[in-house]
Amino acid sequence: DGGITQSPKYLFRKEGQNVTLSCEQNLNHDAMYWYRQDPGQGLRLIYYSQIVNDFQKGDIAEGYSVSREKKESFPLTVTSAQKNPTAFYLCASGKDRAQSNYGYTFGSGTRLTVV
Amino acid sequence: AQSVTQLGSHVSVSEGALVLLRCNYSSSVPPYLFWYVQYPNQGLQLLLKYTSAATLVKGINGFEAEFKKSETSFHLTKPSAHMSDAAEYFCAVSLRQDSNYQLIWGAGTKLIIKP
Repeated sequence: DGGITQSPKYLFRKEGQNVTLSCEQNLNHDAMYWYRQDPGQGLRLIYYSQIVNDFQKGDIAEGYSVSREKKESFPLTVTSAQKNPTAFYLCASGKDRAQSNYGYTFGSGTRLTVV
Repeated sequence: AQSVTQLGSHVSVSEGALVLLRCNYSSSVPPYLFWYVQYPNQGLQLLLKYTSAATLVKGINGFEAEFKKSETSFHLTKPSAHMSDAAEYFCAVSLRQDSNYQLIWGAGTKLIIKP
């Protein structure tokens, strides 16, 4: 079955350490997204990518970086510059950013905790 | 700015009672509208979507929503709540920005089911 796989499900980061969250999809979707979710704050967009080798900053990109070398993969790196990284991270994909009526498919999320 | 408002961060209903989760949007053009559900520590799952066909949309798990243009609303309902409906629900609007569309998210409503 097609879907989005996020790994790991739980991740612990030490102060000053960079960590990378994986997101892979086999839906043949062009667009991919990373969201951060904190209690009571809904979904906040970190980065998005419409096509391979292109990505755009979302509303809270500071302290994060991404790459899109393959259509199927959109990894997110949480750098040491992100001062409050503890959150639930969600990856999503959309058929085509120019198509408005499909909605997004979400992965099951990665919970990142600073220790 | 375009926005989505979900009235009530928490809604509590008794098992068997009517569920009503409210969503209002601001848009100058007819939008595409979505409801998603999120169970604890999981990703978001599409419940239903409005894409300018019938104004009453039926979704999964017995939920439905009605698009009311005059009220700029897309409220989610279910006639009889079940314990398994306890989750967080997000309303989203797909709006055009330049040549692309993006989803604008509400802050979410946590549905609590009382036995």
